[in-house]
Amino acid sequence: ETGVTQTPRHLVMGMTNKKSLKCEQHLGHNAMYWYKQSAKKPLELMFVYSLEERVENNSVPSRFSPECPNSSHLFLHLHTLQPEDSALYLCASSQGGARETGELFFGEGSRLTVL
Amino acid sequence: GENVEQHPSTLSVQEGDSAVIKCTYSDSASNYFPWYKQELGKRPQLIIDIRSNVGEKKDQRIAVTLNKTAKHFSLHITETQPEDSAVYFCAASMNSGYSTLTFGKGTMLLVSP
Repeated sequence: ETGVTQTPRHLVMGMTNKKSLKCEQHLGHNAMYWYKQSAKKPLELMFVYSLEERVENNSVPSRFSPECPNSSHLFLHLHTLQPEDSALYLCASSQGGARETGELFFGEGSRLTVL
Repeated sequence: GENVEQHPSTLSVQEGDSAVIKCTYSDSASNYFPWYKQELGKRPQLIIDIRSNVGEKKDQRIAVTLNKTAKHFSLHITETQPEDSAVYFCAASMNSGYSTLTFGKGTMLLVSP
């Protein structure tokens, strides 16, 4: 499969659960991102990994924990979330490094509902 | 940091009409301005972009204009079709070793047949 793929596409969890979102890119990119998309709000950048190092963490609560084991995979570990964390979580990738153009390639997203 | 404002939040047009969406940005160092289209239930996808050394760029029915002095840029869609119905996001960033896009809130465009 090509592009950016995310699993699961839909997730329902209780506030005490622990779950993970997975993202995989097949584009040979060196930078990966987690964005949160809520209704009537701009896309919110959560984390950036460039060359497998976290380079940005935009004041995200510690109940969200990212992991980037290699340049093709990105995880978002979720623990003791709140109902207001319900949203669409989008993964994206870009060229990264000296070849960075600024263009983001998004996955289809994981729709998270916290009960 | 960068702040991007986008207007209008919703736009309804008749098929065949033109549509214009406007954005302003705050950081004069920003030099890359893309537009993304997100259809219902789908991923955002880049439709056109412009860099600060260019004032206008066209691709078939869509065009983007940039006014660096006023720090605003606009998306123009001519001869709109029902399949143009989607949410459109503008964004701004500066050169870096990774993307630093700041997005606007989005414009929901509805094209009626």
